[in-house]
Amino acid sequence: GQQVMQIPQYQHVQEGEDFTTYCNSSTTLSNIQWYKQRPGGHPVFLIQLVKSGEVKKQKRLTFQFGEAKKNSSLHITATQTTDVGTYFCAGEGTSYGKLTFGQGTILTVHP
Amino acid sequence: EPEVTQTPSHQVTQMGQEVILRCVPISNHLYFYWYRQILGQKVEFLVSFYNNEISEKSEIFDDQFSVERPDGSNFTLKIRSTKLEDSAMYFCASRGLAGGPFGNEQFFGPGTRLTVL
Repeated sequence: GQQVMQIPQYQHVQEGEDFTTYCNSSTTLSNIQWYKQRPGGHPVFLIQLVKSGEVKKQKRLTFQFGEAKKNSSLHITATQTTDVGTYFCAGEGTSYGKLTFGQGTILTVHP
Repeated sequence: EPEVTQTPSHQVTQMGQEVILRCVPISNHLYFYWYRQILGQKVEFLVSFYNNEISEKSEIFDDQFSVERPDGSNFTLKIRSTKLEDSAMYFCASRGLAGGPFGNEQFFGPGTRLTVL
């Protein structure tokens, strides 16, 4: 079945440094979504990418979807302590609504 | 802002017992989902539900699991005979129509932590 791999598993940064997490699907996706989960919390939707090669920005966050619609990345510029949490990518294939999550990247930001 | 709610927040049960986890999706949403997350691991899809029937289920969702929408607001997940490995956080999620104002965004509830002893 469809698998979504995400790296790195952990990332420790100093406040102000940049952060990137990468996501790779075993199959072509119809769209990819990114979620953030704070410790003890639930996944909260950040963004959806649909088009091949799409790039979207949300303030300090930049999301990219690969040309083949199989990989994606999330880049945070100048991290802040409020960025801490686990960032998950979730791919949607041909089954509408079925999200296959990556393992997540746990981001720790040291002040 | 509308939100998905789940009850109880924490459920402790003995192995072999039945549990029912409850969810109230966002009122005008049509697609409903259950996911689980074992502590420290990724979120795993269990089942999707639309138009009063299961749309898709994962290999995790075996005969011990069932879902129901008993009325216009609740969406339940039942585990008939719990096992130790069912201990996890269970998230309910809902979504509106494709192409709607929120696209394909799934709104997650706060989760129910199930502990099987």
